[in-house]
Amino acid sequence: DAGVTQSPTHLIKTRGQQVTLRCSPKSGHDTVSWYQQALGQGPQFIFQYYEEEERQRGNFPDRFSGHQFPNYSSELNVNALLLGDSALYLCASSFNVPTGYSYGYTFGSGTRLTVV
Amino acid sequence: RKEVEQDPGPFNVPEGATVAFNCTYSNSASQSFFWYRQDCRKEPKLLMSVYSSGNEDGRFTAQLNRASQYISLLIRDSKLSDSATYLCVVNGGLTGGGNKLTFGTGTQLKVEL
Repeated sequence: DAGVTQSPTHLIKTRGQQVTLRCSPKSGHDTVSWYQQALGQGPQFIFQYYEEEERQRGNFPDRFSGHQFPNYSSELNVNALLLGDSALYLCASSFNVPTGYSYGYTFGSGTRLTVV
Repeated sequence: RKEVEQDPGPFNVPEGATVAFNCTYSNSASQSFFWYRQDCRKEPKLLMSVYSSGNEDGRFTAQLNRASQYISLLIRDSKLSDSATYLCVVNGGLTGGGNKLTFGTGTQLKVEL
């Protein structure tokens, strides 16, 4: 039973470029959330996708966008990269459960993005 | 004020010691609570859920005080393999459905011989 798969594992980009990160959720999971983790910080919520729509969004600029496909996989796009976007980007999948319950989150191993 | 606050540490303890981590959260509407463990350059992994009645899993005990908005984790008989960052996590729920995990910055634990 495959867990959450993220690609690529590492990426180096130049300021101003655009990047697309990919996530395949755990089998049976239908909800995907993206997090950004800067060095020495806890993960920060970017947004969550369910039924191919962005359901909720954290405090991130519009340069961050995403998509969910009918097979529940998801992409995170970041435009006009800044040095401060360098971080570990984590994808977490889960079942769609009632609000307030978040058991069953499974994290992927992340994509480490370096912007130079 | 951060939504979830933790002492970043590091906590350096000898093997066999008992160590306690604390965490406070600001959103009184938060509905579920967790401790996650994160090893260096790896993804967070669920260690345990936290309930008001307190819960124990082997050497680990977690406690929630809703009135004080305070969460704790106790590790007894520390092992070298317990060395990691421990993340306090709160699920505040989201208006309109869905769930959002809010993480603290993490507390780093180093268990030494």
